[in-house]
Amino acid sequence: AQSVTQLDSQVPVFEEAPVELRCNYSSSVSVYLFWYVQYPNQGLQLLLKYLSGSTLVESINGFEAEFNKSQTSFHLRKPSVHISDTAEYFCAVSDNTGGFKTIFGAGTRLFVKA
Amino acid sequence: GAVVSQHPSRVICKSGTSVKIECRSLDFQATTMFWYRQFPKKSLMLMATSNEGSKATYEQGVEKDKFLINHASLTLSTLTVTSAHPEDSSFYICSASAPGSWDNEQYFGPGTRLTVT
Repeated sequence: AQSVTQLDSQVPVFEEAPVELRCNYSSSVSVYLFWYVQYPNQGLQLLLKYLSGSTLVESINGFEAEFNKSQTSFHLRKPSVHISDTAEYFCAVSDNTGGFKTIFGAGTRLFVKA
Repeated sequence: GAVVSQHPSRVICKSGTSVKIECRSLDFQATTMFWYRQFPKKSLMLMATSNEGSKATYEQGVEKDKFLINHASLTLSTLTVTSAHPEDSSFYICSASAPGSWDNEQYFGPGTRLTVT
């Protein structure tokens, strides 16, 4: 079974500052890792994903995450945040054996202040 | 990209009545759909996995007789909350995996906010 821990429930940060949202997972099998973003009263949107290969993955809007197998982490980072990045961010894990079941972390609320 | 819709977006019903929520994949056929429940400021809790043409697989602790799931076609899954009570009030989100998908990426609907009075 897999589990996901997002260490910070809320992260307040000033605009243009860097940010890191932490995510640790546990699994007995190889996994796929995801970050989803949820804006108020909306569904989730995929931000980026790690499947295999390069451990550093990037999104089109400046976020990046690095898969660290030894630390079982998949932290999300952005060097300079915008007000529009204010949202809930969910880390998720699913096993790569074809079961499709995805486990989500509790979420981290990123609040960008002017 | 793959689009998933949900209807209605918001519904208010009286205690004891039943409510049906629809989840549709608009531009792809989804053999597998998922239903989640999200409590305020909480993560998504997987309720069940819905496979087209077969019975849904419910997660432990989810009452299958209360949350009826039907996946009658490759583009539509429905969740019916039967005999709703105020504690069923929540944000319900569906998602779908695209056919042939090997990376488990899911496409999410916009969610349905259910309020039971």
